[in-house]
Amino acid sequence: NAGVMQNPRHLVRRRGQEARLRCSPMKGHSHVYWYRQLPEEGLKFMVYLQKENIIDESGMPKERFSAEFPKEGPSILRIQQVVRGDSAAYFCASSPRQGFYEQYFGPGTRLTVT
Amino acid sequence: QQQVKQSPQSLIVQKGGISIINCAYENTAFDYFPWYQQFPGKGPALLIAIRPDVSEKKEGRFTISFNKSAKQFSLHIMDSQPGDSATYFCAASRVNDMRFGAGTRLTVKP
Repeated sequence: NAGVMQNPRHLVRRRGQEARLRCSPMKGHSHVYWYRQLPEEGLKFMVYLQKENIIDESGMPKERFSAEFPKEGPSILRIQQVVRGDSAAYFCASSPRQGFYEQYFGPGTRLTVT
Repeated sequence: QQQVKQSPQSLIVQKGGISIINCAYENTAFDYFPWYQQFPGKGPALLIAIRPDVSEKKEGRFTISFNKSAKQFSLHIMDSQPGDSATYFCAASRVNDMRFGAGTRLTVKP
């Protein structure tokens, strides 16, 4: 059973460009969560999605950031007009259960903004 | 607002020793307490988790001790091995919220 897949693993963008991060949950999981991790820090919740629905986006900045989990295909975290402060590791997790329980994390996408 | 406090920040243990990492939470509504292990460049891996209706859970060399009245829980790694060297995160969650501790970097010396 394949785990959570994320791609790309590393992404370099210049300031002002767009970053698109993709996440495919574990088979049978319909709940997806995105987290951001800065070096030497813990994980900060960004957004919780189910298929075609955003359940909780309280941790996501109101501007430049958006997320979706379409009926078909992976979940996408999109960052428009990236700035240096967006440089971080972005992790996706999936769960078979509703809520913030039993989450399994992907390997992450390391975004570097130059 | 930090709702889960984790200590120590870093820990060095000799091979074969016991590693102990502590966490304290504030919100009594939390009802699920997982521990994650993260190696450099990798994603966090779910290690073990506990519900507040039990005081201890053991899986192999890993044990969670839970003190509901004190709002504290801890991870014990018995017979620590160099391969256990990683960063460990505790977390506390409920149906609509999850908070992580800041992490403990564990080094097990051979």
